[in-house]
Amino acid sequence: EVQLVESGGGLVQPGRSLRLSCAASGFTFDDYAMHWVRQAPGKGLEWVSGISWNSGSIGYADSVKGRFTISRDNAKNSLYLQMNSLRAEDTALYYCAKAMGLDYGDPSSGFDYWGQGTLVTVSS
Amino acid sequence: QSVLTQPPSASGTPGQRVTISCSGSSSNIGSNYVYWYQQLPGTAPKLLIYRNNQRPSGVPDRFSGSKSGTSASLAISGLRSEDEADYYCAAWDDSLSGRVVFGGGTKLTVL
Repeated sequence: EVQLVESGGGLVQPGRSLRLSCAASGFTFDDYAMHWVRQAPGKGLEWVSGISWNSGSIGYADSVKGRFTISRDNAKNSLYLQMNSLRAEDTALYYCAKAMGLDYGDPSSGFDYWGQGTLVTVSS
Repeated sequence: QSVLTQPPSASGTPGQRVTISCSGSSSNIGSNYVYWYQQLPGTAPKLLIYRNNQRPSGVPDRFSGSKSGTSASLAISGLRSEDEADYYCAAWDDSLSGRVVFGGGTKLTVL
């Protein structure tokens, strides 16, 4: 059974940093691209970032480019999101999502499994 | 403002057929596959339709997807109370450096 378990969320002050983790199990982690998608309270889904199976290709939404860094450790079956210079508008539930293919930028690859999310609240 | 445009709400009675539209542009829906996700209240999104009209294993055939030009639709036939959820369309967008774009979501109410 595929499982994605996010952790690392919490309350943080504006301008500070936070690192999210996603532990994956039930599938061959290094055979798939992985993504982060967020959902602000009461709002819709927003793609944040994606990373290819071998970290060779990475992409970010304009709203987080230069502040967030996605990475993965295939040996640990884990996905990460380093979030710096956090802003109030980054407050959201952050989901880890498994892609259906190898490359984050593959248009034929949707997100077939999602974690339950970890809540990030940016507030003073 | 979402890149893909969906109606904010839709409704139907049990047994009815409802459709949810998703409008985009040539850089996303017009040139790439469309995906649909269902988000039941308080839960994570779930893949409902992939590559325009394919259903993952376990998704009932009451759900169907279609695409024409720069628009797509999700149809739900034989509406059930458990279909009450938020529905999101998504697609890869070739503009800028490439990104995944979502619709704003449609809240489906079963009356």
